[in-house]
Amino acid sequence: GQQLNQSPQSMFIQEGEDVSMNCTSSSIFNTWLWYKQEPGEGPVLLIALYKAGELTSNGRLTAQFGITRKDSFLNISASIPSDVGIYFCAGHQTGANNLFFGTGTRLTVIP
Amino acid sequence: EAQVTQNPRYLITVTGKKLTVTCSQNMNHEYMSWYRQDPGLGLRQIYYSMNVEVTDKGDVPEGYKVSRKEKRNFPLILESPSPNQTSLYFCASSLFRSSYEQYFGPGTRLTVT
Repeated sequence: GQQLNQSPQSMFIQEGEDVSMNCTSSSIFNTWLWYKQEPGEGPVLLIALYKAGELTSNGRLTAQFGITRKDSFLNISASIPSDVGIYFCAGHQTGANNLFFGTGTRLTVIP
Repeated sequence: EAQVTQNPRYLITVTGKKLTVTCSQNMNHEYMSWYRQDPGLGLRQIYYSMNVEVTDKGDVPEGYKVSRKEKRNFPLILESPSPNQTSLYFCASSLFRSSYEQYFGPGTRLTVT
């Protein structure tokens, strides 16, 4: 199956800094989702995007559905220690019965 | 509380000994799915089910079986586990296939020696 490319693979940032990460593909997707996975837990859905160009926020998190439909971006503002975890993007293509997941961005926040 | 539950959370077993990992959801979701997560490879889908008695292969189905006899349950069966099936397994569900917003269970860490 397809795999989505996430970058960066890992980030070490100071508390209070903003974070940006992205997810790209060579194929078009009609839905993009962003999940967060904390140690010992399953992924939790953060944001879902359904239209090209859509910009959606969830608290300090903002995600965008790329205009080309081949990418998506996640920003976290004013990071805090509890933002630590692995962030996964996932995409859905028209007619598919499943999601394709990225390999994740591991975020470490230094207090 | 709306949730997806998996059991067991941790399992150590030996090669060839059949095992079942249970998954149950209390949200009346139609779509259920199993994933494995391995370092550097992200989440890969094993099997999915769009409704009762309807199952289909995902990306990595070899060595696994599933069944969907009831809407809420979707067990994963390893008939003859091998060491390359050592992994972290997640069950997920969503309201409809088209909702795409999947809710994940807490995971089952399986070690096959």
